Amino acid sequence: DTAVSQTPKYLVTQMGNDKSIKCEQNLGHDTMYWYKQDSKKFLKIMFSYNNKELIINETVPNRFSPKSPDKAHLNLHINSLELGDSAVYFCASSRGTVDNSPLHFGNGTRLTVT
Amino acid sequence: DAKTTQPTSMDCAEGRAANLPCNHSTISGNEYVYWYRQIHSQGPQYIIHGLKNNETNEMASLIITEDRKSSTLILPHATLRDTAVYYCIVRVFTGNQFYFGTGTSLTVIP
Repeated sequence: DTAVSQTPKYLVTQMGNDKSIKCEQNLGHDTMYWYKQDSKKFLKIMFSYNNKELIINETVPNRFSPKSPDKAHLNLHINSLELGDSAVYFCASSRGTVDNSPLHFGNGTRLTVT
Repeated sequence: DAKTTQPTSMDCAEGRAANLPCNHSTISGNEYVYWYRQIHSQGPQYIIHGLKNNETNEMASLIITEDRKSSTLILPHATLRDTAVYYCIVRVFTGNQFYFGTGTSLTVIP
């Protein structure tokens, strides 16, 4: 009955590879997000989608490409992985963009690039 | 980016109330204050949020000053499982941004 689920939980890969992280929410929410938490534990928003449309794209390299096949899914594809991409990536969802509903987070994907 | 400042760390004795302060002096009239916590490297867990009235739920109470420039999260009877990093967030409606600051690392001591 997990509300926001991410796969995989751990991902270890080499520099230069391409990888994807999947996220699904069963809360019926319209808005989904990707956050990155670096080694200093700082949580920074990367992307936000509302009803499959991109509404926030922070200054993230274009090697990162989010894809939302439907409003319950927001996947993150990363091309040409670099050492600095090592972090924990969190998916989140919220009911909408104009109400005060809180974010619900998944349990994260720990990406290690060697 | 974050519109909040919090102490880096705090200790609290088990069974006592934990009072976690947050300053948000540049908050706008329609911006809500949210509190989350993160235990180890799990996903941030929602605790409570409010606009200007004090709020209480089964987890905590949120006290917001009348000028809305600061707030306090109160865990009424802290347990060891409340040891976590607590984040105070002001939601910016333009672009629907939740900006996380550095948070307060709360340690509950037996």
